[in-house]
Amino acid sequence: QQQVKQSPQSLIVQKGGISIINCAYENTAFDYFPWYQQFPGKGPALLIAIRPDVSEKKEGRFTISFNKSAKQFSLHIMDSQPGDSATYFCAASMVGSARQLTFGSGTQLTVLP
Amino acid sequence: DSGVTQTPKHLITATGQRVTLRCSPRSGDLSVYWYQQSLDQGLQFLIQYYNGEERAKGNILERFSAQQFPDLHSELNLSSLELGDSALYFCASSVEAMGGNEQFFGPGTRLTVL
Repeated sequence: QQQVKQSPQSLIVQKGGISIINCAYENTAFDYFPWYQQFPGKGPALLIAIRPDVSEKKEGRFTISFNKSAKQFSLHIMDSQPGDSATYFCAASMVGSARQLTFGSGTQLTVLP
Repeated sequence: DSGVTQTPKHLITATGQRVTLRCSPRSGDLSVYWYQQSLDQGLQFLIQYYNGEERAKGNILERFSAQQFPDLHSELNLSSLELGDSALYFCASSVEAMGGNEQFFGPGTRLTVL
């Protein structure tokens, strides 16, 4: 029940295309869902986050779509660029906890020029 | 740059040894989280401190311990090291302990146990 399942494991997209990464969770006590971007040799960097009271949040080219009833959320990267090539992690934290993050397994995104 | 600093960047040691990893949170952040990233286990929460007190434990081995000092920097101590402890160790900081606020990650310490 603590898991966050992420797919796909890897994704190759052409420059200008849309990258879509999906995550699913079981525990309904999760109430904060961030996405992190990690480049090789670097720490994860917070991209965007959402709470279950909204169904969508957009920041620049990055959009989170959230489906509370299906317990799923996804990251959409519009107009994908080669500089977006990185590993993306979804995560979740739980109300009433110390807010430690439970991470998905990661998606390695490659954007071809 | 997240504002979180970690030292050292790389650490190479032998099995059975003990090492200390250091983390300085962002200015004003009272909460420090430690995470381990390995190929087989992914990113896993180890332990959290808030303003000097331990608040939560995750998948942290008994050979591992941590503390947070009055100046809010934190240290993760790993002892009796095994080959399987080789991993990236990240700390993250946030303003509050339970507010669901953003966690900002440091650059990590890459530990190699030979």
